Amino acid sequence: DGGITQSPKYLFRKEGQNVTLSCEQNLNHDAMYWYRQDPGQGLRLIYYSQIVNDFQKGDIAEGYSVSREKKESFPLTVTSAQKNPTAFYLCASSIYNSPLHFGNGTRLTVT
Amino acid sequence: RKEVEQDPGPFNVPEGATVAFNCTYSNSASQSFFWYRQDCRKEPKLLMSVYSSGNEDGRFTAQLNRASQYISLLIRDSKLSDSATYLCVVEKGGSQGNLIFGKGTKLSVKP
Repeated sequence: DGGITQSPKYLFRKEGQNVTLSCEQNLNHDAMYWYRQDPGQGLRLIYYSQIVNDFQKGDIAEGYSVSREKKESFPLTVTSAQKNPTAFYLCASSIYNSPLHFGNGTRLTVT
Repeated sequence: RKEVEQDPGPFNVPEGATVAFNCTYSNSASQSFFWYRQDCRKEPKLLMSVYSSGNEDGRFTAQLNRASQYISLLIRDSKLSDSATYLCVVEKGGSQGNLIFGKGTKLSVKP
């Protein structure tokens, strides 16, 4: 079945460590996105990519980095520069001008 | 006006009730509109797109009023399984594929 896979589901890290969240899709979608959700808040866009080897900053890109070396993969690195990294991270993909399909998310806890 | 604003909720209704969610958006250039459903600690899932002429899918009806920059979702004959948070999502005008999420309205349907 086609879909988006995020791993791991839960991730725990110590403050000061970089951590990379995985996102893979086999839907053949060109566009991929990373969102962050905090309790009681709407989803906020971190980065998005419309095509391989190209990506754009979203509204809250500071402290994050991404790469898009393959169409299927869009990993997100949460760096030590991110002040409040504990959150629910959602990866999504879409074809042009169509609704987003989400992965099942990664809950990151940094202590 | 906030980019996307929803009723704060929560809505607590009995089974069988009709419930309406409202959403306003600020960017008159926005072209695409959606309602997503998010269950507790899960990823958002597309409920329905919202078309200018209004659209219906079973018990769910979505409407768009461009002049007032207003979107609505009506759920008739609510079921226990409708309990979730409903997210209003609006395309960021002039930025294809870049969506703005409302904070969501939580619905609890009681027996």
